[in-house]
Amino acid sequence: AQTVTQSQPEMSVQEAETVTLSCTYDTSESDYYLFWYKQPPSRQMILVIRQEAYKQQNATENRFSVNFQKAAKSFSLKISDSQLGDAAMYFCAYRIHPYTGANSKLTFGKGITLSVRP
Amino acid sequence: IAGITQAPTSQILAAGRRMTLRCTQDMRHNAMYWYRQDLGLGLRLIHYSNTAGTTGKGEVPDGYSVSRANTDDFPLTLASAVPSQTSVYFCASSVSGGGNQPQHFGDGTRLSIL
Repeated sequence: AQTVTQSQPEMSVQEAETVTLSCTYDTSESDYYLFWYKQPPSRQMILVIRQEAYKQQNATENRFSVNFQKAAKSFSLKISDSQLGDAAMYFCAYRIHPYTGANSKLTFGKGITLSVRP
Repeated sequence: IAGITQAPTSQILAAGRRMTLRCTQDMRHNAMYWYRQDLGLGLRLIHYSNTAGTTGKGEVPDGYSVSRANTDDFPLTLASAVPSQTSVYFCASSVSGGGNQPQHFGDGTRLSIL
């Protein structure tokens, strides 16, 4: 079974600084997808960034980028120039490629709470 | 604004009562999902539906049922609520049931079972 581990329950960063959130996963599959979701206090779940396992290039979305290490099964999220609005819970998620057309469920980590200090 | 609407926003329910959480999306997405979010456990999949007329069990399906009579609606029913079902419930949808298609989430329903 696939598992996603976020070992740090909480992190804090100074405004304008850079922070990295860790995520590791366990799978025997070779083709899959990885996601980072943000959940602010408003409770909405917002997609931050996604990565296809077959792509060697790390995904980037503005201030958000990932460090995808397939061999190490690691998928960390880097937030540059942190802003107060980045304060939220962040979830790492994994999904296998559905070769058969069947639904492949999204497996979430337990989340990490990020606080941003002004 | 296109998206997912969940109702109610919150509910307090006596144990043993029947409750249906509503979920409607207007994006014409084929796949829909129900998750529960519990502190320290992240989000866990309860049930899913790849397309109208089909449903499947997720990680924690016991005590819950779903139906998918049409593309837009995906209600979640607790036949006889128990305190362990106290949680925040999220409905989500995606264009299709797999791949890199992101899931779009509703705002959640906070359910307390007393």
